[in-house]
Amino acid sequence: QKEVEQNSGPLSVPEGAIASLNCTYSDRGSQSFFWYRQYSGKSPELIMFIYSNGDKEDGRFTAQLNKASQYVSLLIRDSQPSDSATYLCAGQPEDNNNDMRFGAGTRLTVKP
Amino acid sequence: EAGVAQSPRYKIIEKRQSVAFWCNPISGHATLYWYQQILGQGPKLLIQFQNNGVVDDSQLPKDRFSAERLKGVDSTLKIQPAKLEDSAVYLCASSPGLAGGHLTDTQYFGPGTRLTVL
Repeated sequence: QKEVEQNSGPLSVPEGAIASLNCTYSDRGSQSFFWYRQYSGKSPELIMFIYSNGDKEDGRFTAQLNKASQYVSLLIRDSQPSDSATYLCAGQPEDNNNDMRFGAGTRLTVKP
Repeated sequence: EAGVAQSPRYKIIEKRQSVAFWCNPISGHATLYWYQQILGQGPKLLIQFQNNGVVDDSQLPKDRFSAERLKGVDSTLKIQPAKLEDSAVYLCASSPGLAGGHLTDTQYFGPGTRLTVL
């Protein structure tokens, strides 16, 4: 079983809609979770991280964490064509706070 | 603040040849990581350094891959000999390496080196 799993997509939403990206993890001891955005041919760039149950908002982005369900999500409000990219979810296992396990990523396309 | 630097950006070699990649982390970052990202997959950790010591190299194919970070700053990753399945982007990342196992030791990625093995 993969430690971090994501729906590979592709996910397609119209401009202005809410995009919902989901991630599940198997290590119940994982503490922190990260969302990275990766444009084609580019390196991952950090969008936000979350380590407490509940929601964390940053501009148009909201990360949600539910440790009981081992579920992390990223919502993108008012989606723009420039949001079209692959979104990587990563978790930090409890036994090594500097290590990260990445999911395979979800490809998002925002259509004008 | 300068980001993580990597070179070369692209490399094409034939199988059984050797190749080396270089990484210079963000100034002051104690922890350095090398990842392999195969097309369509998420990054896979190869090796993690804390200063000049190895923290985790459990997923490094040690029969052909080696890495060092001799002075605790920049690092090199070597493949010898290369195989076709080594074709991937090799990403270097660094993080502050906060003491005490801080919950959010965020990693920052370099631009990567795209390796093609023919």
